[in-house]
Amino acid sequence: AQSVTQPDIHITVSEGASLELRCNYSYGATPYLFWYVQSPGQGLQLLLKYFSGDTLVQGIKGFEAEFKRSQSSFNLRKPSVHWSDAAEYFCAVGEYGGATNKLIFGTGTLLAVQP
Amino acid sequence: DVKVTQSSRYLVKRTGEKVFLECVQDMDHENMFWYRQDPGLGLRLIYFSYDVKMKEKGDIPEGYSVSREKKERFSLILESASTNQTSMYLCASSLQGNLNTEAFFGQGTRLTVV
Repeated sequence: AQSVTQPDIHITVSEGASLELRCNYSYGATPYLFWYVQSPGQGLQLLLKYFSGDTLVQGIKGFEAEFKRSQSSFNLRKPSVHWSDAAEYFCAVGEYGGATNKLIFGTGTLLAVQP
Repeated sequence: DVKVTQSSRYLVKRTGEKVFLECVQDMDHENMFWYRQDPGLGLRLIYFSYDVKMKEKGDIPEGYSVSREKKERFSLILESASTNQTSMYLCASSLQGNLNTEAFFGQGTRLTVV
């Protein structure tokens, strides 16, 4: 079975600073990778996804992620963080399990933004 | 606007009660999922369904069951609620087929068992 690791449980950055959230996956073939964001009290919203092509993927809210096969990583980045980016971020990988496709999630990274 | 709707945002139930969490989607998706979210553990898959009346166990099915009588509705059932089932429950739906298919999530139900 595939797995996703998010090594950072909690990160604090200052508003306006750059951000990088780490995600590592374990999978033999080309993985299908996703980043979701969960604002306080809300469900999850898709930020971006990768499954082929250009390894630098642009998403919503100014986020981007880079797929690096050699490092088994799919790190999420933003050049300048806004206070509204404070949320929990989840990396996920798609896999076939049983009769259908499903998502396997990492444990999440909670982002705090300092004024 | 696509939508996954969970019937309750907050629930408080007593130990031993039978609890129903309801989820409805309006996107005609074949797949529906129930996840449990706990701090430091991320989202763990409880059960999923790929068609009406079809279900499969996820990673943590013990103590739970599900029902899918109609395509748009997927219910999670706690047969006899226990305090260790206090958690946030998230419902999701997706199209069947490709691994690049995203899942759409409801707002979550925060269940407290006392």
